Amino acid sequence: DVKVTQSSRYLVKRTGEKVFLECVQDMDHENMFWYRQDPGLGLRLIYFSYDVKMKEKGDIPEGYSVSREKKERFSLILESASTNQTSMYLCASSQTRVRRNEQFFGPGTRLTVL
Amino acid sequence: EDQVTQSPEALRLQEGESSSLNCSYTVSGLRGLFWYRQDPGKGPEFLFTLYSAGEEKEKERLKATLTKKESFLHITAPKPEDSATYLCAIEPLGAGNMLTFGGGTRLMVKP
Repeated sequence: DVKVTQSSRYLVKRTGEKVFLECVQDMDHENMFWYRQDPGLGLRLIYFSYDVKMKEKGDIPEGYSVSREKKERFSLILESASTNQTSMYLCASSQTRVRRNEQFFGPGTRLTVL
Repeated sequence: EDQVTQSPEALRLQEGESSSLNCSYTVSGLRGLFWYRQDPGKGPEFLFTLYSAGEEKEKERLKATLTKKESFLHITAPKPEDSATYLCAIEPLGAGNMLTFGGGTRLMVKP
């Protein structure tokens, strides 16, 4: 079974703090993704990565950065957290295949910025 | 622009009352359509992938079907444990495994 883990289930931070969200997958997947999920707005892609040290902006990258130093690990960084970044953050991974390329998600991190 | 619309937004069923959830999409070329189940406070759980019109996939009480414009998730004789939000997503051709998600259907099955 594919396993995607995220470093925290719940996180509370203060405005202006630097926040690191970690994601690890154990299936040697090439692709990794960070989403945020908000009521009424659905899942929105923040950043994704096709390979180590590679990153691409998604639909809402402003205020975020990412790091992928190892294939299995993809980090999301909030440089200076703001209250509008309070959300559920979801990490996903997938392999590059014509078939069997579905994304597998982690359990999510519920981030509250005060 | 690629778009995914799910209906209804919410659906209440009695246990055993079969129904269908709809996922309509517009895309210039479809590589795959995905169904996920999401329980409150958890990440989406993969259910099915459909690649071509006419394809069907089944798992327990769930069956997913695909046409050129929409997909249906049929739920036969649902149980309370089927209560969840069901998400549909499409992968356009050339999108490099980037998905476009619909807003989801929140299903509630009453005993």
